[in-house]
Amino acid sequence: KNQVEQSPQSLIILEGKNCTLQCNYTVSPFSNLRWYKQDTGRGPVSLTIMTFSENTKSNGRYTATLDADTKQSSLHITASQLSDSASYICVVSFISNFGNEKLTFGTGTRLTIIP
Amino acid sequence: NAGVTQTPKFQVLKTGQSMTLQCAQDMNHEYMSWYRQDPGMGLRLIHYSVGAGITDQGEVPNGYNVSRSTTEDFPLRLLSAAPSQTSVYFCASSPNQAAYEQYFGPGTRLTVT
Repeated sequence: KNQVEQSPQSLIILEGKNCTLQCNYTVSPFSNLRWYKQDTGRGPVSLTIMTFSENTKSNGRYTATLDADTKQSSLHITASQLSDSASYICVVSFISNFGNEKLTFGTGTRLTIIP
Repeated sequence: NAGVTQTPKFQVLKTGQSMTLQCAQDMNHEYMSWYRQDPGMGLRLIHYSVGAGITDQGEVPNGYNVSRSTTEDFPLRLLSAAPSQTSVYFCASSPNQAAYEQYFGPGTRLTVT
């Protein structure tokens, strides 16, 4: 069964510190992996999208890595800010038996930045 | 450019009532979809549409209907609300089904008592 597991479930860090969120998946055949940020009461917003051939991608203070061999991804946040408090969702895309793309969503990591 | 808009933002229904959640996008996107988000679970696809007049079922379609008469609008209808449909509903759109970038609306929080 296609699954996406994220860890930790929740994380609290001090403003200015770095942190790394993890995503492990069993999705196959893999198409791409996406990280979304979801603020409380809002819809998810895309941070990065990586295909099989990409092993790192940055978006400002956010850097995502992908190891397609071990089926692991991480999202590293540098110099955290209060506005980084949100849920971070890992989404893995696969190609279905009918040839169309399907998405499997992780349950997210709830990140809280404290001053 | 408003992006993806959803109405209402909050709704309380009694069991058995029906209602329509509205979704509209102004980006001329062909692909639109509805998800539900429940505590402790990832977003799950309810229904999707690859263009006006074309809809298909997602992972959890039971109890919901959709139609797509225009490119801009993709309403989700609850036929007879049940407490199990208490959830936060998100509409999303993208240029096409193969596009990597999906744009989500702000969500509708629905409570069924």
